Amino acid sequence: EPEVTQTPSHQVTQMGQEVILRCVPISNHLYFYWYRQILGQKVEFLVSFYNNEISEKSEIFDDQFSVERPDGSNFTLKIRSTKLEDSAMYFCASSEVGLAEAFFGQGTRLTVV
Amino acid sequence: AQSVTQLDSQVPVFEEAPVELRCNYSSSVSVYLFWYVQYPNQGLQLLLKYLSGSTLVESINGFEAEFNKSQTSFHLRKPSVHISDTAEYFCAVSFMDSSYKLIFGSGTRLLVRP
Repeated sequence: EPEVTQTPSHQVTQMGQEVILRCVPISNHLYFYWYRQILGQKVEFLVSFYNNEISEKSEIFDDQFSVERPDGSNFTLKIRSTKLEDSAMYFCASSEVGLAEAFFGQGTRLTVV
Repeated sequence: AQSVTQLDSQVPVFEEAPVELRCNYSSSVSVYLFWYVQYPNQGLQLLLKYLSGSTLVESINGFEAEFNKSQTSFHLRKPSVHISDTAEYFCAVSFMDSSYKLIFGSGTRLLVRP
């Protein structure tokens, strides 16, 4: 069964450092998303991406965040200068069409120290 | 304003007892509705979804949910729970306003006791 894969599963970084979280969406999917879940809190939408551009972003997704689809398979989330409050589980998701079931990856746990 | 509410943060229940996890939403547009389950230290797995058609939807492991448009609810039920159902359950809504994002509820931790 096709699945969304995320790497790494856990990343520890120092405050102020740049991190790149990687995702391989399901191959025939066209819509890609990043969500995050701060420990003990709800899952929050960060950004959606379609046709090689951002289609929507939340107020969390400020100038420190960027997304890219560098090739035909990867979808990355970059945080330029990490803060302590960026510590969270980051989930990548993809869907075949916009208003359809989104498939989630296993997540990357980002710890900023 | 569009929102998703799960009023119960934790629901303890004994094994083989029935359970209902509540989900309400607020919206001025049509919606798609989802329940996701998160087992400890794992990602989000889709449990069931309502897109259209029959308002009662079922999962392969015995859960069901019913879309009630008048009450703007999508409660999750199971007639007899197992220890293995212990997990966090998230209700999520996609609002048909040209945005494709999911809005999640705050989650309900189902704790099944022997």
